[in-house]
Amino acid sequence: AQSVAQPEDQVNVAEGNPLTVKCTYSVSGNPYLFWYVQYPNRGLQFLLKYITGDNLVKGSYGFEAEFNKSQTSFHLKKPSALVSDSALYFCAVRDGGATNKLIFGTGTLLAVQP
Amino acid sequence: GAVVSQHPSRVICKSGTSVKIECRSLDFQATTMFWYRQFPKQSLMLMATSNEGSKATYEQGVEKDKFLINHASLTLSTLTVTSAHPEDSSFYICSARGRSEAFFGQGTRLTVV
Repeated sequence: AQSVAQPEDQVNVAEGNPLTVKCTYSVSGNPYLFWYVQYPNRGLQFLLKYITGDNLVKGSYGFEAEFNKSQTSFHLKKPSALVSDSALYFCAVRDGGATNKLIFGTGTLLAVQP
Repeated sequence: GAVVSQHPSRVICKSGTSVKIECRSLDFQATTMFWYRQFPKQSLMLMATSNEGSKATYEQGVEKDKFLINHASLTLSTLTVTSAHPEDSSFYICSARGRSEAFFGQGTRLTVV
């Protein structure tokens, strides 16, 4: 079965510093990986995805993620964090079944201090 | 990008009543929509997959008679929480699958008193 793991419940970073939110995956076949962000009491917003191609994927709001097949990781990164980046981040993998449903990680709360 | 509209954003209802939540894809047709439930500080739990013109597929442990799903058109799916109880209080989120990624509604905060 497809799954993703987010080992950190919370990541704290100072504004202006680089940030990394970790995600590892376990899939059979080719992985379709996604990152979403959720602000309080809101739905999820799509950040970026990896389907195939370049291992470095660039997404919305200056975020990027690196697909690493050997380490089965898909960490989310940003060179310089903003206070407004503070939110809940979810890594997800697409299930290979007929419905292509998304399977989410447990989420990582990113707190950026001014 | 594609927009999914979910309504209402907040609802408070009395125990024993039913509540309907709507999920609309505004600028694309969605043959498949998904309904999630999210508990505080937790991840999204998939409740069911809604298929246009056919019965929904429920995840294990989700009561289909309690959480009624109707996907009557390519742009609208509804979730009805029947005979709501306080333990049904939660954040419900719908999602519609586009060509390559899923788009999410704003979520509905349901409080049953």
